[in-house]
Amino acid sequence: AQSVTQLGSHVSVSEGALVLLRCNYSSSVPPYLFWYVQYPNQGLQLLLKYTSAATLVKGINGFEAEFKKSETSFHLTKPSAHMSDAAEYFCAVSDYAGGTSYGKLTFGQGTILTVHP
Amino acid sequence: DAGVTQSPTHLIKTRGQHVTLRCSPISGHKSVSWYQQVLGQGPQFIFQYYEKEERGRGNFPDRFSARQFPNYSSELNVNALLLGDSALYLCASSSRWTGFHYNQPQHFGDGTRLSIL
Repeated sequence: AQSVTQLGSHVSVSEGALVLLRCNYSSSVPPYLFWYVQYPNQGLQLLLKYTSAATLVKGINGFEAEFKKSETSFHLTKPSAHMSDAAEYFCAVSDYAGGTSYGKLTFGQGTILTVHP
Repeated sequence: DAGVTQSPTHLIKTRGQHVTLRCSPISGHKSVSWYQQVLGQGPQFIFQYYEKEERGRGNFPDRFSARQFPNYSSELNVNALLLGDSALYLCASSSRWTGFHYNQPQHFGDGTRLSIL
C-alpha cells in the first residue's frame, strides 16, 4: 500500500524567507501525489498534483513541488513566504495498485506552517 | 460555481446517539468520498461512492454507513456514537472515478465538525 511521511510537524519561517515542507512517499508503483492546504476551520484546498508529466510541478499561490524518484520525495517549496501562507499542509498519495483499488487518498500527518513578520 | 457543500457545519451529540451528515458535490461530479479528520491528524478515508454505488470502504466499523442519491448528493450515517467519533468529517467530490483516473483531484468541502459529549 502507498503511504506518505511528512517530516516536521511544525515549520516556522520569517516573511519573505524560503518555505520548504518535506514529504517522502512509499509506493510499489509510480505514485500520484498531491499537496493540499488547510486553513483554520476550513476544508482542504488542492495546491498541486504530480501525475508523471513533469517532475517540477507548479501550483497555486506561488507554490511548487519537485518529484525525485531516487529520493522518493515530493517536497513543497515557495521562494518567499507571505503571512497568508500560514496554514496546515498535507501531502497525499492516491491509492493505485490496479485491479480493485479505487484511488482513495492517503494523507500524511500534516505540517503546520507559521510565518513570522 | 458552488463548491462542495456540507451540512451542518457543527453538530453536538451524546454517546449512543445517531448522526447524519450531508454532502452536495460540485455540479457535474459523480464521485463522492468521505474522510474523517481527528484533531492533529491527516484525514482518513471512510467511503467512496460513484454513480450511486459503493466503490471503496476504509477501515471503519459497521456503525458507519453511507449512500449516494440519484442527484449524486451523499449522506454519511454513524450509529451508536462514541467519544472517539469526535472529528471533522470531510466530503470530497471528483468529476471522474478516481478508481480509474488516479490523477483526478478530489475537491473538499469545509466539513462538519462533530463533537460527542
